[in-house]
Amino acid sequence: EVQLVESGGGLVQPGRSLRLSCTASGFTFGDYAMSWVRQAPGKGLEWVGFIRSKAYGGTTEYAASVKGRFTISRDDSKSIAYLQMNSLKTEDTAVYYCTRADHIWIVATIHYYYYYMDVWGKGTTVTVSS
Amino acid sequence: SSELTQDPAVSVALGQTVRITCQGDSLRSYYASWYQQKPGQAPVLVIYGKNNRPSGIPDRFSGSSSGNTASLTITGAQAEDEADYYCNSRDSSGNHLEVFGTGTKVTVL
Repeated sequence: EVQLVESGGGLVQPGRSLRLSCTASGFTFGDYAMSWVRQAPGKGLEWVGFIRSKAYGGTTEYAASVKGRFTISRDDSKSIAYLQMNSLKTEDTAVYYCTRADHIWIVATIHYYYYYMDVWGKGTTVTVSS
Repeated sequence: SSELTQDPAVSVALGQTVRITCQGDSLRSYYASWYQQKPGQAPVLVIYGKNNRPSGIPDRFSGSSSGNTASLTITGAQAEDEADYYCNSRDSSGNHLEVFGTGTKVTVL
């Protein structure tokens, strides 16, 4: 069974750090990009960022709201993706979801890799409060 | 603020058809994906690409796109389709940044 399990959430004070983990099973982890998405209480979904597979450079992209504070990494030998969160703010309070991101090469007006999030974990809750 | 705009809420009678729209400039160039989220649960992918359904998603779900608008249509809505629906696509910057729509709450009457 394809599965993602997030861990590492909890209560943390503003300005502190926290690292989330996403443990994958049931598929070849190294073949896929991995994304993080969050949802503040009672709010919609917010894309946080993603990391490409090593075959595509293992590079990362981040939302403007977290760029410079959050870092996504991966350990393909352990099938784990990480979200390192530094300088946390109260507005970072949310449920954090890890997702697998598969892709298709699109040839149209623009040629690009189209990523879609086809497997989601159940999420882990991060509360930033003093 | 989101660059993809959705109607906050729509309702549909049981067995009828409902269309959920997502508007944004980036949709002129990039495909959208659609996600269903029920209360207390993680989102689930229902449509991706031009009009593709993952395994296990009923064929009453379909996607389409025209100009700056992507649409998710549920043909013959069922009670279990009551949920929040979010579109997702690239932002309009040209870089690989993504954005979710504002979300639509679908109520099945």
